[in-house]
Amino acid sequence: GQQLNQSPQSMFIQEGEDVSMNCTSSSIFNTWLWYKQDPGEGPVLLIALYKAGELTSNGRLTAQFGITRKDSFLNISASIPSDVGIYFCAGNTGANSKLTFGKGITLSVRP
Amino acid sequence: NAGVTQTPKFRILKIGQSMTLQCTQDMNHNYMYWYRQDPGMGLKLIYYSVGAGITDKGEVPNGYNVSRSTTEDFPLRLELAAPSQTSVYFCASTSGQLVYQPQHFGDGTRLSIL
Repeated sequence: GQQLNQSPQSMFIQEGEDVSMNCTSSSIFNTWLWYKQDPGEGPVLLIALYKAGELTSNGRLTAQFGITRKDSFLNISASIPSDVGIYFCAGNTGANSKLTFGKGITLSVRP
Repeated sequence: NAGVTQTPKFRILKIGQSMTLQCTQDMNHNYMYWYRQDPGMGLKLIYYSVGAGITDKGEVPNGYNVSRSTTEDFPLRLELAAPSQTSVYFCASTSGQLVYQPQHFGDGTRLSIL
């Protein structure tokens, strides 16, 4: 089946630093999404990308839909303690709006 | 706005018991999904539904059943609970329009089977 690759499993950064995460696949996706999950809660949508090459920002977050449609990256600038959580990438091929998820990256921010 | 509501939030079951995880949404979404999340493994699709009366298997359907009698509700049933079903379960929904609309998630049900 389709797989999305996210690595490393964990990242540790200092407050104020920027951090980049990427997500790759061997398959093409029509839509790329980035979700964040806080402890004890469900995933919450951060950014949705609909076109190859699209670059979208949401506050301190910026994400891009790769030209090949097989990858995406998320950048967080000037990190703050509340950025702690698990970041998932997800892709949709159009079939019944189903999503394929990456395994997630756990981000820790040291004050 | 309630969004997607899941009950219960926590549950402990004994091996072989059965239970139903409830999911309801108030956004009039046609498409609904059940996922399980295991540590370090992301979310795996169990079952999904594109409308009332229509359900289909996802990636990991074994040991589960679903029904969709109304647009709002999409319950997930475990008939014979097994330790391998210890997990966090998430329900999600989306409108299912031609232009992809992101899924909205509930806060999950944490299930332990002992």
